[in-house]
Amino acid sequence: DAGITQSPRHKVTETGTPVTLRCHQTENHRYMYWYRQDPGHGLRLIHYSYGVKDTDKGEVSDGYSVSRSKTEDFLLTLESATSSQTSVYFCAINTGGAGGARGSQTGELFFGEGSRLTVL
Amino acid sequence: SQKIEQNSEALNIQEGKTATLTCNYTNYSPAYLQWYRQDPGRGPVFLLLIRENEKEKRKERLKVTFDTTLKQSLFHITASQPADSATYLCALDKRSGANNLFFGTGTRLTVIP
Repeated sequence: DAGITQSPRHKVTETGTPVTLRCHQTENHRYMYWYRQDPGHGLRLIHYSYGVKDTDKGEVSDGYSVSRSKTEDFLLTLESATSSQTSVYFCAINTGGAGGARGSQTGELFFGEGSRLTVL
Repeated sequence: SQKIEQNSEALNIQEGKTATLTCNYTNYSPAYLQWYRQDPGRGPVFLLLIRENEKEKRKERLKVTFDTTLKQSLFHITASQPADSATYLCALDKRSGANNLFFGTGTRLTVIP
């Protein structure tokens, strides 16, 4: 089984402060993702990565940046947190597909346990 | 605009009955569709994947159908148990573009003993 660890699991912060969420995987899966989940919106992709130093935007990327300096770690940063970024954030890896061309992988996603962020 | 609708926010059924959840989509031609289960406070867990050329997929008490003409997938849990109570999400492959999976908002299933 793929192992994903998200940290921190819970965080409360003030508007305007920077926040970094970390996702760590124990296997060398190529594709990693950051989603946010909000009532009435379902899971929405923020950013994803298809390899070390290779990242791309999802549908709700404004206000977020990511970095992947090692295969196992994918960081999500809120440079200046806003109340609209209060959400539950999930990291996921793609465990089911080979992944061909950039961004065109298939397969099931394996999710972490989530990081609940509250911005006051 | 592209849209995924899951039949209802909440569905209550009696233990032992078959639960049927619906996922309808518009403006897509997905190559495949996935179903996930999510328990409160946990991440989604993958259940089943069905491809566009497959009409039906089964796994134990779970069955998924995929009708690309109706643009609909049905997710069935037979002989439902209280332990099946959870939120179920459908997700579509958008086929083109970098963001492959597009998730519905989920249906919260409660199986009443």
